[in-house]
Amino acid sequence: ETGVTQTPRHLVMGMTNKKSLKCEQHLGHNAMYWYKQSAKKPLELMFVYNFKEQTENNSVPSRFSPECPNSSHLFLHLHTLQPEDSALYLCASSQDPLIRQENTEAFFGQGTRLTVV
Amino acid sequence: AQKVTQAQTEISVVEKEDVTLDCVYETRDTTYYLFWYKQPPSGELVFLIRRNSFDEQNEISGRYSWNFQKSTSSFNFTITASQVVDSAVYFCALSEADSSASKIIFGSGTRLSIRP
Repeated sequence: ETGVTQTPRHLVMGMTNKKSLKCEQHLGHNAMYWYKQSAKKPLELMFVYNFKEQTENNSVPSRFSPECPNSSHLFLHLHTLQPEDSALYLCASSQDPLIRQENTEAFFGQGTRLTVV
Repeated sequence: AQKVTQAQTEISVVEKEDVTLDCVYETRDTTYYLFWYKQPPSGELVFLIRRNSFDEQNEISGRYSWNFQKSTSSFNFTITASQVVDSAVYFCALSEADSSASKIIFGSGTRLSIRP
């Protein structure tokens, strides 16, 4: 399997549930990202990991908890979410430009469509 | 701080017309990358092009062309002889090369509808 894979593709959860989104990349990249895309809103960068270290947290509420066990896997743990958290959650990966200045574009997974009820 | 502005929220044209999607960016860095992505209804963002800030050459790929102008901080995207399959949301994006990880910031997107 190649590229960036996200599971599940669709998720419906109650406000008291705990669930996790999974992202896996087979591109040899060292940076991974979580983005949130709500209806009629721009793509919002949530978290950035570079070599498994979190380098960016864009004031994301603590009910979203990322985990990056290695450069190929990224998780987003969800708990006590709100209906306004319903959105498309996109994972991406890219190469670090300080290491390799070409090929810095991000490759995206197909996203997880999350609905909080 | 970096910022990407796509002033056109929605564009609708008839098939075979040419259409230009505007993108204006802000950055303090001298080294940066600009991107265009396409998001079809399936949801996945598809990479279209990357430009390095030192390379202002315009690029043409089939019916797609890109006009990068540092003087106006713009990176516009033109589709020639548009087709219905071009209907999608198009995002312009920017990343600054000086950060340890390429934080890629997206514009708000332009929804392009091509009518048959």
